[in-house]
Amino acid sequence: AQSVTQLDSHVSVSEGTPVLLRCNYSSSYSPSLFWYVQHPNKGLQLLLKYTSAATLVKGINGFEAEFKKSETSFHLTKPSAHMSDAAEYFCVVSELWGTYKYIFGTGTRLKVLA
Amino acid sequence: DVKVTQSSRYLVKRTGEKVFLECVQDMDHENMFWYRQDPGLGLRLIYFSYDVKMKEKGDIPEGYSVSREKKERFSLILESASTNQTSMYLCASSFLIPSPQETQYFGPGTRLLVL
Repeated sequence: AQSVTQLDSHVSVSEGTPVLLRCNYSSSYSPSLFWYVQHPNKGLQLLLKYTSAATLVKGINGFEAEFKKSETSFHLTKPSAHMSDAAEYFCVVSELWGTYKYIFGTGTRLKVLA
Repeated sequence: DVKVTQSSRYLVKRTGEKVFLECVQDMDHENMFWYRQDPGLGLRLIYFSYDVKMKEKGDIPEGYSVSREKKERFSLILESASTNQTSMYLCASSFLIPSPQETQYFGPGTRLLVL
Protein backbone atom coordinates (compact mmCIF):
# COMPACT_ATOMS: atom_id res chain seq x y z
CA ALA A 1 0.00 0.00 0.00
CA GLN A 2 1.10 3.51 -0.68
CA SER A 3 1.53 6.13 1.99
CA VAL A 4 2.82 9.64 2.56
CA THR A 5 4.54 11.09 5.59
CA GLN A 6 4.61 14.79 6.30
CA LEU A 7 7.60 15.27 8.48
CA ASP A 8 6.47 18.42 10.28
CA SER A 9 3.06 19.03 11.80
CA HIS A 10 3.80 22.76 12.27
CA VAL A 11 6.18 25.12 10.49
CA SER A 12 6.72 28.79 11.32
CA VAL A 13 8.50 31.21 9.02
CA SER A 14 8.89 34.96 8.88
CA GLU A 15 7.27 36.87 6.06
CA GLY A 16 9.66 37.14 3.13
CA THR A 17 11.72 34.07 4.06
CA PRO A 18 11.68 30.72 2.23
CA VAL A 19 9.14 28.01 2.93
CA LEU A 20 9.96 24.30 3.01
CA LEU A 21 7.26 21.73 3.75
CA ARG A 22 8.53 18.17 3.68
CA CYS A 23 6.81 15.08 2.34
CA ASN A 24 8.11 11.54 1.89
CA TYR A 25 6.17 8.86 0.10
CA SER A 26 6.13 5.11 -0.02
CA SER A 27 5.12 3.48 -3.28
CA SER A 28 5.82 0.26 -5.08
CA TYR A 29 5.63 1.96 -8.47
CA SER A 30 5.87 5.42 -9.94
CA PRO A 31 3.50 7.48 -7.84
CA SER A 32 1.21 10.38 -8.63
CA LEU A 33 1.68 13.06 -6.00
CA PHE A 34 -0.22 16.20 -5.13
CA TRP A 35 -0.05 19.14 -2.77
CA TYR A 36 -3.28 20.72 -1.56
CA VAL A 37 -3.78 23.80 0.61
CA GLN A 38 -6.60 24.45 3.05
CA HIS A 39 -7.15 27.96 4.33
CA PRO A 40 -9.08 28.35 7.60
CA ASN A 41 -12.68 27.17 7.32
CA LYS A 42 -12.29 26.46 3.62
CA GLY A 43 -12.15 23.39 1.42
CA LEU A 44 -8.98 22.05 -0.17
CA GLN A 45 -7.44 23.68 -3.20
CA LEU A 46 -4.96 22.01 -5.52
CA LEU A 47 -1.54 23.68 -5.46
CA LEU A 48 0.28 21.37 -7.85
CA LYS A 49 0.64 17.77 -8.97
CA TYR A 50 3.42 15.54 -10.21
CA THR A 51 2.52 13.80 -13.46
CA SER A 52 5.94 12.34 -14.35
CA ALA A 53 6.42 14.85 -17.16
CA ALA A 54 8.95 16.87 -15.18
CA THR A 55 10.49 16.37 -11.76
CA LEU A 56 10.21 20.08 -10.86
CA VAL A 57 6.57 21.02 -10.71
CA LYS A 58 5.37 24.59 -10.56
CA GLY A 59 2.07 25.39 -8.93
CA ILE A 60 -0.09 28.33 -8.05
CA ASN A 61 0.90 31.26 -5.83
CA GLY A 62 4.64 30.77 -6.41
CA PHE A 63 4.85 27.27 -4.91
CA GLU A 64 6.84 24.48 -6.46
CA ALA A 65 7.81 20.93 -5.57
CA GLU A 66 10.55 18.61 -6.70
CA PHE A 67 10.06 14.89 -7.15
CA LYS A 68 13.17 13.00 -6.03
CA LYS A 69 12.84 9.29 -6.62
CA SER A 70 16.14 8.41 -4.95
CA GLU A 71 14.99 10.12 -1.75
CA THR A 72 11.28 9.22 -2.13
CA SER A 73 10.50 12.85 -1.43
CA PHE A 74 8.19 15.53 -2.81
CA HIS A 75 8.95 18.63 -0.76
CA LEU A 76 7.01 21.85 -1.27
CA THR A 77 8.89 25.13 -1.45
CA LYS A 78 8.32 28.81 -1.95
CA PRO A 79 11.10 31.42 -2.14
CA SER A 80 9.35 34.10 -0.12
CA ALA A 81 6.46 33.59 2.27
CA HIS A 82 3.45 35.88 2.36
CA MET A 83 1.01 36.32 5.21
CA SER A 84 -1.69 34.86 2.96
CA ASP A 85 0.25 31.56 2.81
CA ALA A 86 -0.74 30.76 6.38
CA ALA A 87 -2.81 27.59 6.01
CA GLU A 88 -2.68 23.83 6.32
CA TYR A 89 -0.94 21.90 3.57
CA PHE A 90 -1.54 18.29 2.62
CA CYS A 91 0.67 15.97 0.63
CA VAL A 92 -1.31 13.31 -1.23
CA VAL A 93 -0.48 10.15 -3.17
CA SER A 94 -2.95 8.55 -5.54
CA GLU A 95 -3.63 4.82 -5.28
CA LEU A 96 -5.64 2.52 -7.53
CA TRP A 97 -8.61 1.06 -5.63
CA GLY A 98 -11.56 0.59 -7.94
CA THR A 99 -10.98 4.09 -9.11
CA TYR A 100 -7.99 6.17 -8.12
CA LYS A 101 -8.26 7.30 -4.54
CA TYR A 102 -6.19 9.67 -2.52
CA ILE A 103 -4.03 8.81 0.47
CA PHE A 104 -3.50 11.93 2.55
CA GLY A 105 -0.65 12.92 4.78
CA THR A 106 -1.52 14.23 8.22
CA GLY A 107 -0.97 17.83 7.20
CA THR A 108 1.48 20.64 7.98
CA ARG A 109 0.19 23.86 9.46
CA LEU A 110 2.19 26.83 8.18
CA LYS A 111 2.37 29.94 10.29
CA VAL A 112 3.77 33.14 8.79
CA LEU A 113 5.11 35.72 11.21
CA ALA A 114 5.08 39.42 10.43
CA ASP B 1 -14.63 26.68 -12.54
CA VAL B 2 -15.64 23.44 -10.92
CA LYS B 3 -18.04 23.99 -8.11
CA VAL B 4 -18.68 21.53 -5.31
CA THR B 5 -21.21 22.72 -2.76
CA GLN B 6 -22.20 21.27 0.58
CA SER B 7 -25.61 21.95 2.07
CA SER B 8 -24.43 23.23 5.45
CA ARG B 9 -21.25 24.81 6.78
CA TYR B 10 -22.08 24.07 10.41
CA LEU B 11 -24.43 21.55 11.99
CA VAL B 12 -25.25 20.75 15.59
CA LYS B 13 -27.06 17.48 16.26
CA ARG B 14 -27.96 15.33 19.23
CA THR B 15 -26.71 11.83 19.88
CA GLY B 16 -28.97 9.30 18.17
CA GLU B 17 -30.30 11.67 15.53
CA LYS B 18 -30.23 10.75 11.86
CA VAL B 19 -28.07 13.22 9.98
CA PHE B 20 -27.92 13.94 6.27
CA LEU B 21 -25.00 15.75 4.66
CA GLU B 22 -25.58 16.76 1.06
CA CYS B 23 -23.05 17.44 -1.67
CA VAL B 24 -23.68 18.70 -5.18
CA GLN B 25 -21.21 19.16 -8.04
CA ASP B 26 -21.82 20.96 -11.31
CA MET B 27 -19.12 19.48 -13.54
CA ASP B 28 -20.76 16.22 -14.59
CA HIS B 29 -18.15 14.26 -12.65
CA GLU B 30 -18.64 10.53 -12.32
CA ASN B 31 -16.65 10.10 -9.10
CA MET B 32 -17.73 11.54 -5.79
CA PHE B 33 -16.11 11.09 -2.38
CA TRP B 34 -16.83 11.72 1.28
CA TYR B 35 -13.98 12.32 3.73
CA ARG B 36 -13.75 13.24 7.35
CA GLN B 37 -10.98 15.46 8.59
CA ASP B 38 -9.66 15.31 12.13
CA PRO B 39 -6.66 17.16 13.62
CA GLY B 40 -3.45 15.20 13.26
CA LEU B 41 -5.09 12.53 11.12
CA GLY B 42 -5.45 14.31 7.79
CA LEU B 43 -8.38 13.30 5.62
CA ARG B 44 -9.76 9.78 5.69
CA LEU B 45 -12.04 8.34 3.06
CA ILE B 46 -15.47 7.23 4.27
CA TYR B 47 -17.20 6.22 1.01
CA PHE B 48 -16.93 6.93 -2.67
CA SER B 49 -19.13 6.47 -5.69
CA TYR B 50 -18.11 6.11 -9.34
CA ASP B 51 -21.59 6.10 -10.83
CA VAL B 52 -25.21 6.65 -9.95
CA LYS B 53 -26.41 4.09 -7.41
CA MET B 54 -22.88 2.68 -7.13
CA LYS B 55 -20.89 3.00 -3.91
CA GLU B 56 -17.74 1.61 -2.41
CA LYS B 57 -16.54 1.63 1.17
CA GLY B 58 -13.48 3.65 1.99
CA ASP B 59 -11.19 3.33 4.96
CA ILE B 60 -13.66 4.23 7.73
CA PRO B 61 -17.24 3.38 6.63
CA GLU B 62 -18.53 2.19 10.01
CA GLY B 63 -21.47 4.24 11.24
CA TYR B 64 -22.06 5.85 7.85
CA SER B 65 -24.02 5.14 4.70
CA VAL B 66 -24.34 7.00 1.41
CA SER B 67 -26.85 7.58 -1.33
CA ARG B 68 -26.36 8.61 -4.95
CA GLU B 69 -29.63 8.81 -6.81
CA LYS B 70 -28.47 11.45 -9.29
CA LYS B 71 -25.07 11.97 -10.85
CA GLU B 72 -24.55 15.43 -9.39
CA ARG B 73 -25.61 14.64 -5.82
CA PHE B 74 -23.96 12.47 -3.18
CA SER B 75 -25.36 12.23 0.33
CA LEU B 76 -23.66 11.03 3.49
CA ILE B 77 -25.96 9.61 6.15
CA LEU B 78 -25.27 9.11 9.81
CA GLU B 79 -27.99 6.68 10.83
CA SER B 80 -27.61 7.35 14.56
CA ALA B 81 -25.15 10.13 15.28
CA SER B 82 -22.61 9.61 18.03
CA THR B 83 -20.21 12.03 19.69
CA ASN B 84 -17.21 10.37 18.01
CA GLN B 85 -18.63 11.49 14.67
CA THR B 86 -18.02 15.11 15.57
CA SER B 87 -15.70 16.18 12.77
CA MET B 88 -15.25 18.18 9.59
CA TYR B 89 -16.76 16.42 6.57
CA LEU B 90 -15.49 17.16 3.09
CA CYS B 91 -16.99 16.14 -0.21
CA ALA B 92 -14.99 15.88 -3.43
CA SER B 93 -15.58 14.95 -7.06
CA SER B 94 -13.52 13.99 -10.11
CA PHE B 95 -13.85 12.58 -13.60
CA LEU B 96 -13.88 8.83 -14.06
CA ILE B 97 -10.68 8.72 -16.05
CA PRO B 98 -8.49 5.74 -15.21
CA SER B 99 -5.55 7.95 -14.43
CA PRO B 100 -3.72 8.33 -11.14
CA GLN B 101 -3.21 11.99 -12.00
CA GLU B 102 -6.88 12.85 -11.94
CA THR B 103 -7.57 15.86 -9.74
CA GLN B 104 -10.23 15.84 -7.06
CA TYR B 105 -12.19 19.02 -6.42
CA PHE B 106 -13.34 19.73 -2.89
CA GLY B 107 -16.31 21.43 -1.32
CA PRO B 108 -15.95 23.89 1.57
CA GLY B 109 -16.74 21.30 4.23
CA THR B 110 -19.41 20.79 6.89
CA ARG B 111 -18.37 21.07 10.50
CA LEU B 112 -20.59 18.70 12.49
CA LEU B 113 -20.91 18.79 16.25
CA VAL B 114 -22.76 15.91 17.92
CA LEU B 115 -23.82 16.61 21.48
